[in-house]
Amino acid sequence: GDSVTQMEGPVTLSEEAFLTINCTYTATGYPSLFWYVQYPGEGLQLLLKATKADDKGSNKGFEATYRKETTSFHLEKGSVQVSDSAVYFCALSDVDAGNMLTFGGGTRLMVKP
Amino acid sequence: KAGVTQTPRYLIKTRGQQVTLSCSPISGHRSVSWYQQTPGQGLQFLFEYFSETQRNKGNFPGRFSGRQFSNSRSEMNVSTLELGDSALYLCASSLMGGPNTEAFFGQGTRLTVV
Repeated sequence: GDSVTQMEGPVTLSEEAFLTINCTYTATGYPSLFWYVQYPGEGLQLLLKATKADDKGSNKGFEATYRKETTSFHLEKGSVQVSDSAVYFCALSDVDAGNMLTFGGGTRLMVKP
Repeated sequence: KAGVTQTPRYLIKTRGQQVTLSCSPISGHRSVSWYQQTPGQGLQFLFEYFSETQRNKGNFPGRFSGRQFSNSRSEMNVSTLELGDSALYLCASSLMGGPNTEAFFGQGTRLTVV
């Protein structure tokens, strides 16, 4: 079945540091890929998405590129802020698996001033 | 416009009881999905409803059930609660469902089984 693997956290960075959170996937079909963010006490918010190979999703300074050859969708941000502290989830949706979202385990990011 | 609303936000139940959680999707959205979030298992898909019909189901026991009404509001029910059912239950709505449509999540219902 489909699966998503992302780096374990927590990831602790200083403000203005460069962020990378690795995400790789396994899918039977040709999935769409997503990054969701969860702030304390909240539900999930869609951060960005990509629907086909080589697509780059971007939002609020975050970027991720759909790499079919390496089955990866790594999240990057050039300069993190304290307000970026949250849990980040990589996910995929595969029409061959009924369109449900399959999530990775989540990566907690802590940004220190 | 109003987001996805889940009620109640917090719930404490005793083992063996049953519980019903409610989800009101964004106006106009016809697809509602439910997920269970636990520290050990992460986020797991429970089921999806579209136009009052269950369209997809995850790998959960039959104690977990749901339904959707004509106004797209959805409820999920868990019968004979077990300690392991303690979790954050998240509801997500989207226009039609599907791999390219954005799912909007509610804040969740935190269920504690004692």
